[in-house]
Amino acid sequence: DTAVSQTPKYLVTQMGNDKSIKCEQNLGHDTMYWYKQDSKKFLKIMFSYNNKELIINETVPNRFSPKSPDKAHLNLHINSLELGDSAVYFCASSLAGSGDTQYFGPGTRLTVL
Amino acid sequence: DAKTTQPPSMDCAEGRAANLPCNHSTISGNEYVYWYRQIHSQGPQYIIHGLKNNETNEMASLIITEDRKSSTLILPHATLRDTAVYYCIAPLGDYKLSFGAGTTVTVRA
Repeated sequence: DTAVSQTPKYLVTQMGNDKSIKCEQNLGHDTMYWYKQDSKKFLKIMFSYNNKELIINETVPNRFSPKSPDKAHLNLHINSLELGDSAVYFCASSLAGSGDTQYFGPGTRLTVL
Repeated sequence: DAKTTQPPSMDCAEGRAANLPCNHSTISGNEYVYWYRQIHSQGPQYIIHGLKNNETNEMASLIITEDRKSSTLILPHATLRDTAVYYCIAPLGDYKLSFGAGTTVTVRA
């Protein structure tokens, strides 16, 4: 069984479009995260939700809006896509937060043309 | 997070032990040391973590110095599938992991 899953795995789109990436975890965890890995391979936290409540927002442009309908899901919606948004986006979850082990999804490779 | 320093790369022969060092001289008393790895194009994978005592699991061993200023991740019998970027992280009561550049480990046949 997949612990943390993301859809789609690949996403190719034009500049200016709006797109969403979905994430689901079946681990019963309370905290979920979105990370971005750019072409230089550095992984950076974008958002974190604990029990559907936003707890981390790391100076991400407001074109990015996370939504957590329940604690097993954390979706990422991106408006007005730009070339610089091209990256791999990873979802992760942890039991609570505060340094707990995080489990990552397989990633979504977003390419903006 | 406490700052961690790792060598940028290292090679290892298949079947031999791989010893990956990490310096974390500013680590505080209640910060755990975590190790993750990222195999090409996959999501980061948890390996092991520890506070003071040495730890071992099915993947690796973690040796932490008594002063806790450095640690070593040991892959006892490296295989080609262990080729990856290995990250040493010390998150302090924080919801986020700060990934540095890590150590790129290449296991050669």
